[in-house]
Amino acid sequence: GQQVMQIPQYQHVQEGEDFTTYCNSSTTLSNIQWYKQRPGGHPVFLIQLVKSGEVKKQKRLTFQFGEAKKNSSLHITATQTTDVGTYFCAGYNYGQNFVFGPGTRLSVLP
Amino acid sequence: DAGVIQSPRHEVTEMGQEVTLRCKPISGHNSLFWYRQTMMRGLELLIYFNNNVPIDDSGMPEDRFSAKMPNASFSTLKIQPSEPRDSAVYFCASSLGAGLRSEQYFGPGTRLTVT
Repeated sequence: GQQVMQIPQYQHVQEGEDFTTYCNSSTTLSNIQWYKQRPGGHPVFLIQLVKSGEVKKQKRLTFQFGEAKKNSSLHITATQTTDVGTYFCAGYNYGQNFVFGPGTRLSVLP
Repeated sequence: DAGVIQSPRHEVTEMGQEVTLRCKPISGHNSLFWYRQTMMRGLELLIYFNNNVPIDDSGMPEDRFSAKMPNASFSTLKIQPSEPRDSAVYFCASSLGAGLRSEQYFGPGTRLTVT
């Protein structure tokens, strides 16, 4: 079945440093979504990518969808303590299940 | 505007008991999803409904789990009988669009502990 992996599993950064998490699927995806979950909270939708090679920006966050639509990345520029949480990618392909990656847990040291 | 509402927020029960989790989606949303989150298995999609009809229940772990959506504003996830390995946080989510290509809004979750 479809598998979605994320690296790294954990990332500790100093406030102001950049952060990147990578998402890889075993199959080609029709779309990929990114969510953020704060400690003790629930997943909150960040963005959806649909097109091959698509790049979207939200303030300090940059999201990319690979040309082959099997991988994606989330990059945060100049992290802040409010960026703390776990970032999940979730991929979907027709006829297969909607699968969340295991997440990357980000901690930001002030 | 109220988001997705789940009840109870916490549930502690003994093995063998029936557990019912409840969800009220955002008004006007026509898709509803049930997820389970554990440290070991992460976030798993259990089942999703579109216009109150179950579309994909391939994620439901076994026959002890069942889900219903009798109307557009209410859904239940039932576990009977419950087992300790069912302990997890169960999230309900809803979306405006059909299927799995729309932004999902998650509820606060129900933390279930089965002793």
